[in-house]
Amino acid sequence: NAGVTQTPKFQVLKTGQSMTLQCAQDMNHEYMSWYRQDPGMGLRLIHYSVGAGITDQGEVPNGYNVSRSTTEDFPLRLLSAAPPQTSVYFCASRSRQVSYNSPLHFGNGTRLTVT
Amino acid sequence: QQQVKQSPQSLIVQKGGIPIINCAYENTAFDYFPWYQQFPGKGPALLIAIRPDVSEKKEGRFTISFNKSAKQFSLHIMDSQPGDSATYFCAASSDFGNEKLTFGTGTRLTIIP
Repeated sequence: NAGVTQTPKFQVLKTGQSMTLQCAQDMNHEYMSWYRQDPGMGLRLIHYSVGAGITDQGEVPNGYNVSRSTTEDFPLRLLSAAPPQTSVYFCASRSRQVSYNSPLHFGNGTRLTVT
Repeated sequence: QQQVKQSPQSLIVQKGGIPIINCAYENTAFDYFPWYQQFPGKGPALLIAIRPDVSEKKEGRFTISFNKSAKQFSLHIMDSQPGDSATYFCAASSDFGNEKLTFGTGTRLTIIP
């Protein structure tokens, strides 16, 4: 049981390049989301999905695209990377059956540097 | 605009002491208040959560205190250990169960032996 798996762990991009951050979960969770973590800013929600085929914007969606074709996968696309997108990106998932103790399960992050 | 304000930014406490991390919010629609713990190189993990109709919740050495009228909540760690050294994030959301968690800016806690 791998939980939430993010690839790659590290990536360096030049300004203008595109790439896709991969996220997969094996817990059959309906909810999936992407956060970015920056020093002094905490974690900020980029995009989220409540199920296959359904996505919505979070707090900081500009410059990022997502799609959800399967329950398991929720890739994050940077179409034209820019230095302000340098950050650590976390994917998270959660079951739709929530209680006050049901957690968001986070991956271990992708550290992205844009030069 | 930071909807959940967290303090302090960093905290150093001797082993056995009781570190306290505070959070304040403005949005009265928030109805779910979790705390997450993050170790270096790892994603955050849920530590403990509280709902607004409860003033205190304990799980092991971790306690959340909640003051609805002041719109504040705090995390206390009893008998702190070096293994508790981590970054702690408070968070909040409205419409309990939705995905839109708003996180605080984090507190880097160091427990010295």
